[in-house]
Amino acid sequence: DQQVKQNSPSLSVQEGRISILNCDYTNSMFDYFLWYKKYPAEGPTFLISISSIKDKNEDGRFTVFLNKSAKHLSLHIVPSQPGDSAVYFCAASSSRAGSYQLTFGKGTKLSVIP
Amino acid sequence: EAGVAQSPRYKIIEKRQSVAFWCNPISGHATLYWYQQILGQGPKLLIQFQNNGVVDDSQLPKDRFSAERLKGVDSTLKIQPAKLEDSAVYLCASSLELGLTYEQYFGPGTRLTVT
Repeated sequence: DQQVKQNSPSLSVQEGRISILNCDYTNSMFDYFLWYKKYPAEGPTFLISISSIKDKNEDGRFTVFLNKSAKHLSLHIVPSQPGDSAVYFCAASSSRAGSYQLTFGKGTKLSVIP
Repeated sequence: EAGVAQSPRYKIIEKRQSVAFWCNPISGHATLYWYQQILGQGPKLLIQFQNNGVVDDSQLPKDRFSAERLKGVDSTLKIQPAKLEDSAVYLCASSLELGLTYEQYFGPGTRLTVT
């Protein structure tokens, strides 16, 4: 049973345009959400996070939106750059679970075309 | 600041053999994680340590997998005996402390192929 779902395995976007990556979750206990970026042969690196008390968090070209009622979050990258080409993982955690463990989605491969 | 170190980077073994992976977390990081990432999937937590104590090992197949973090620094993950379905990338991560907002830093992973 997948608690964090990324239904688009891949996405192609032109350089300079907006990239929108989507993520859905099913566990109502999740109250903290993160996006990680992964290049081939490297470990994932943290990108941006959002707490369930917010509906938006922005960091430079990256913005994460959270819709708690729909159990949906999205990552917007504006403008997209070729260096953004990577696999993006959505992850979720719960403050009520003592381990604060991360549950990851399957990832979306973003290709930014020059 | 040095990142999370893992070795070996690649390992090929036959089924029923044993294998061990090593992880050196970022200096001063109290929390250490081992994840398994099967091709096409996201990382799945196997075991989590806080210093040298286990916080969560509920998803660790304990009949064949074991892990330890002696002295609360380095950690080793062992598989004995390996099965074909253990082929995956094994990722080690560390964070300063246990908590929601403490960023997890990942190592490059060990790619295991079981033939």
